[in-house]
Amino acid sequence: TQLLEQSPQFLSIQEGENLTVYCNSSSVFSSLQWYRQEPGEGPVLLVTVVTGGEVKKLKRLTFQFGDARKDSSLHITAAQPGDTGLYLCAGAQTGGYQKVTFGTGTKLQVIP
Amino acid sequence: EAGVTQSPTHLIKTRGQQATLRCSPISGHTSVYWYQQALGLGLQFLLWYDEGEERNRGNFPPRFSGRQFPNYSSELNVNALELEDSALYLCASKVPWAAASGRKVQYFGPGTRLTVT
Repeated sequence: TQLLEQSPQFLSIQEGENLTVYCNSSSVFSSLQWYRQEPGEGPVLLVTVVTGGEVKKLKRLTFQFGDARKDSSLHITAAQPGDTGLYLCAGAQTGGYQKVTFGTGTKLQVIP
Repeated sequence: EAGVTQSPTHLIKTRGQQATLRCSPISGHTSVYWYQQALGLGLQFLLWYDEGEERNRGNFPPRFSGRQFPNYSSELNVNALELEDSALYLCASKVPWAAASGRKVQYFGPGTRLTVT
């Protein structure tokens, strides 16, 4: 069973601080997605990274896919209360029918 | 373009009853995934349907079952409900498996909150 470990599990920071969330695996993924989920709602897709070493920016969020496509990071600059939520990474593998593995999740709280 | 829709939003059942949850995928998506997200736990994969067939199943008992209809919408049925089945049930849809790698992303619905009393 492939596992995607996310760290940290919980993060509580003050508004304006920077943070980084990590998503690690021993498996290689053809693509990796990051989602944000708010309580009682479904996860919302933030970004997809496909190429090893790829960096994508979404306003204050910077996503990086590891060179070996086994890990990824999400960096948030100047966090705001609206960034509060559960962040999930998901790795997709090809080969026959595509398999998607979800990370363990990082619960972020940004305090005003 | 309409997103993934799920119904009902909330469902309250008593132990031993059966629950039916419904999901309509994004137009053009042929794959539907079901997940269980219990309080404090991550997304637990339940079932994957593609082109009307069950392609994969998570580590759940047989009383969790489902089907996919010709229009690609899907139902999740949970029989003999137990208290620990209380959770948010999420449905996600995805483009056909032959699509380009970067497009093979799951898009989630808002979920159905199932409460078993």
